[in-house]
Amino acid sequence: DSGVTQTPKHLITATGQRVTLRCSPRSGDLSVYWYQQSLDQGLQFLIQYYNGEERAKGNILERFSAQQFPDLHSELNLSSLELGDSALYFCASSVTGGITDTQYFGPGTRLTVL
Amino acid sequence: SQQGEEDPQALSIQEGENATMNCSYKTSINNLQWYRQNSGRGLVHLILIRSNEREKHSGRLRVTLDTSKKSSSLLITASRAADTASYFCATDAKRETSGSRLTFGEGTQLTVNP
Repeated sequence: DSGVTQTPKHLITATGQRVTLRCSPRSGDLSVYWYQQSLDQGLQFLIQYYNGEERAKGNILERFSAQQFPDLHSELNLSSLELGDSALYFCASSVTGGITDTQYFGPGTRLTVL
Repeated sequence: SQQGEEDPQALSIQEGENATMNCSYKTSINNLQWYRQNSGRGLVHLILIRSNEREKHSGRLRVTLDTSKKSSSLLITASRAADTASYFCATDAKRETSGSRLTFGEGTQLTVNP
């Protein structure tokens, strides 16, 4: 158990809908990251937050948005869902968000878009 | 595009044997991390090696890093059936912008037969 929690574990929804994925980082970690794992594109970095501020951005679609709240939990919002958005979404956290940090991953949320 | 490429894509060995997985990457890095993933589940952090380190050990794991060849290897000694999983290398590339992001390879599927 990494100490990173994600809810829900599974989510099934329809195309065009909007969902919110939630992540709580390890105690003491200030930075959270979001990654997407799909069969065709593998594991891809989406976005990083540090202490409430966006720190780095990857291949995140405009339909997706994220934020980190004052209590350091983070939410990833996915809207206008398409079949291709079906994937495992991982949250990770680290202490400072710096280049020497280990990133600890949560168990993931499996999103299925029908 | 994937920064890291693992080799081999799949490896099948007998319990007690050693398993070696290789990873190559394309750009200069700050660090390289190895993760394990059991089928469809979360990523478990194994080891982080910094760009100025050449070798690191953790229990039955030995990781080497050759920055001149842009490659790393993960050796698991005295393998067990419980080591069966996918193994990913992930690099944090040097960049001018702030933040940290991991770029993952496609992984090596290790099967340890009892």
